Amino acid sequence: EAQVTQNPRYLITVTGKKLTVTCSQNMNHEYMSWYRQDPGLGLRQIYYSMNVEVTDKGDVPEGYKVSRKEKRNFPLILESPSPNQTSLYFCASSYGPESYGYTFGSGTRLTVV
Amino acid sequence: QKEVEQNSGPLSVPEGAIASLNCTYSDRGSQSFFWYRQYSGKSPELIMFIYSNGDKEDGRFTAQLNKASQYVSLLIRDSQPSDSATYLCAVNPSTGNQFYFGTGTSLTVIP
Repeated sequence: EAQVTQNPRYLITVTGKKLTVTCSQNMNHEYMSWYRQDPGLGLRQIYYSMNVEVTDKGDVPEGYKVSRKEKRNFPLILESPSPNQTSLYFCASSYGPESYGYTFGSGTRLTVV
Repeated sequence: QKEVEQNSGPLSVPEGAIASLNCTYSDRGSQSFFWYRQYSGKSPELIMFIYSNGDKEDGRFTAQLNKASQYVSLLIRDSQPSDSATYLCAVNPSTGNQFYFGTGTSLTVIP
């Protein structure tokens, strides 16, 4: 089944404790992206990647890191999480979002206390 | 100014009616436009895309694009309770590789 897989689905952590949210897609998509979704603010792009080793900042990259060492994987790293990073996170992938839009993973609900 | 704006609603329509969802965008050079449906607690799901001015129909869904007015809409005919969800408009701007979403319109179809 074609899909974008994120793990974990739920995560509660403490301020400052480094964490990684994994994302993997099995559709051979070039583009991958991370979004966070907050009430009243909608989906905001954190980082995106056009291909292996090619990444760029979205609208809200502060406090996040990404890497794209393999085509299928695009992990999101929070080096020192803070409470304002409590949010619902979505990974997404696409052959080319301008033509095909994005396919989303199931989401990761992160709480930082 | 936000890149993509939607009326947050909530929008309520009776079962069988036409639901009309609207979206405006700021980048006049934007080329592609997408509608996503998001059920509560779930991820967004692509339901329609449109590139050219005019209407595009897919089953009960019709997307309408007016580039001169920077306006894109989604019509849902014969609305069903299962259509109750938040509908997100997304736009690919003319420059860069970003992909912008509106904040979504909540639709409730009343049986």
